[in-house]
Amino acid sequence: EDKVVQSPLSLVVHEGDTVTLNCSYEVTNFRSLLWYKQEKKAPTFLFMLTSSGIEKKSGRLSSILDKKELFSILNITATQTGDSAIYLCAGRRIQGAQKLVFGQGTRLTINP
Amino acid sequence: DTAVSQTPKYLVTQMGNDKSIKCEQNLGHDTMYWYKQDSKKFLKIMFSYNNKELIINETVPNRFSPKSPDKAHLNLHINSLELGDSAVYFCATEGYEKLFFGSGTQLSVL
Repeated sequence: EDKVVQSPLSLVVHEGDTVTLNCSYEVTNFRSLLWYKQEKKAPTFLFMLTSSGIEKKSGRLSSILDKKELFSILNITATQTGDSAIYLCAGRRIQGAQKLVFGQGTRLTINP
Repeated sequence: DTAVSQTPKYLVTQMGNDKSIKCEQNLGHDTMYWYKQDSKKFLKIMFSYNNKELIINETVPNRFSPKSPDKAHLNLHINSLELGDSAVYFCATEGYEKLFFGSGTQLSVL
């Protein structure tokens, strides 16, 4: 059965720290890995990674995929209180009706 | 102008009641989903519709019945609500290989 596992489940750091969130996956017919940020309501899209070793960046956030070791990391540098959220990772299949398999999320709390 | 909108945002009801959640999208996407997010924050797919046609029906009790009157709408009707149905329900559409989520409906069954 396909699964996506995120670690840590919960992380509390101080403003200004750098954090690394982990996502490992076992997804048959794997096509891509997606990261979402969920604050109070709807998850919002951050990154989609398809190729190994190519870093995607958006401001202080960056992510990379390793298709050999089947994992991805999401880095956030110089964290701010507004980064506090649940970060969800999802593996996407090429085929199959249920295309996205979500992990259980990492709850990140940034203290001032 | 919200891309994926759900109503209501909050729903508090008694066990045994029947309730509906509505979802509308203006993105023009063909595929729409219902997801359930439990207290542990796992997002699990319930149903998927493509162009008004049911594609996925996961192991969801048949008390849950989706209905898609047209491509822009996917509603969820729940009969005989149970305590375990309490969760946040998200509608989503798919475009460019990404999901676009509605703001969720927090359902509390008392």
